[in-house]
Amino acid sequence: QVQLVESGGGVVQPGRSLRLSCAASGFTFSSYGMHWVRQAPGKGLEWVTFISFDGGNEHYADSVKGRFTISRDNSKNTLYLQMNSLRAEDTAVYYCAKDELGVADYWGQGTLVTVSS
Amino acid sequence: SYELTQPPSVSVSPGQTARITCSGDALPKQYSYWYQQKPGQAPVLVIYKDSERPSGIPERFSGSSSGTTVTLTISGVQAEDEADYYCQSADSSGSYHVVFGGGTKLTVL
Repeated sequence: QVQLVESGGGVVQPGRSLRLSCAASGFTFSSYGMHWVRQAPGKGLEWVTFISFDGGNEHYADSVKGRFTISRDNSKNTLYLQMNSLRAEDTAVYYCAKDELGVADYWGQGTLVTVSS
Repeated sequence: SYELTQPPSVSVSPGQTARITCSGDALPKQYSYWYQQKPGQAPVLVIYKDSERPSGIPERFSGSSSGTTVTLTISGVQAEDEADYYCQSADSSGSYHVVFGGGTKLTVL
């Protein structure tokens, strides 16, 4: 069965960086695009970024463009999110999700990122 | 920026039918999707491509589309259906942007 396990969250000061990972199993990782979606405490879902199956295409929400970078290592079945210049408003649970023709059909359990001094 | 609009809350009694709407200008041109999220859990896809149901999702969940509004219908609501529901679609302007609605809290009275 599809399994996605995020890691790397924690407390970080404003302006600093953090890298999240998402370990995938139960499907052919190299055949599918992947998303990161976040959810601030008590708020709704916000799409963050997408990467194509081969890493050749990336798309970002305006709120993170130029600060966050999505990448993947298909040899390790792992998705990454490099987050730089973090702000308080980036505080959220970050979910990775598998893409199936434009829809996030499977989600991980999420990892919490708290940006605070 | 493109937006999807949902009512903040919907309340129904057990056994009744719940309808949750989602409005957006691009919905006639883009598929819609619905997710269920229970407290402390990750979202689960319950409807894709406006009206298709993934395997394992109960038949009481259905989706429909009419113009700029899509609707998630839960027939014979059960206590376990109490959750937040989010619609999702995409911007049709040519740029790649996945958009979520603000979410609707379904309360089973």
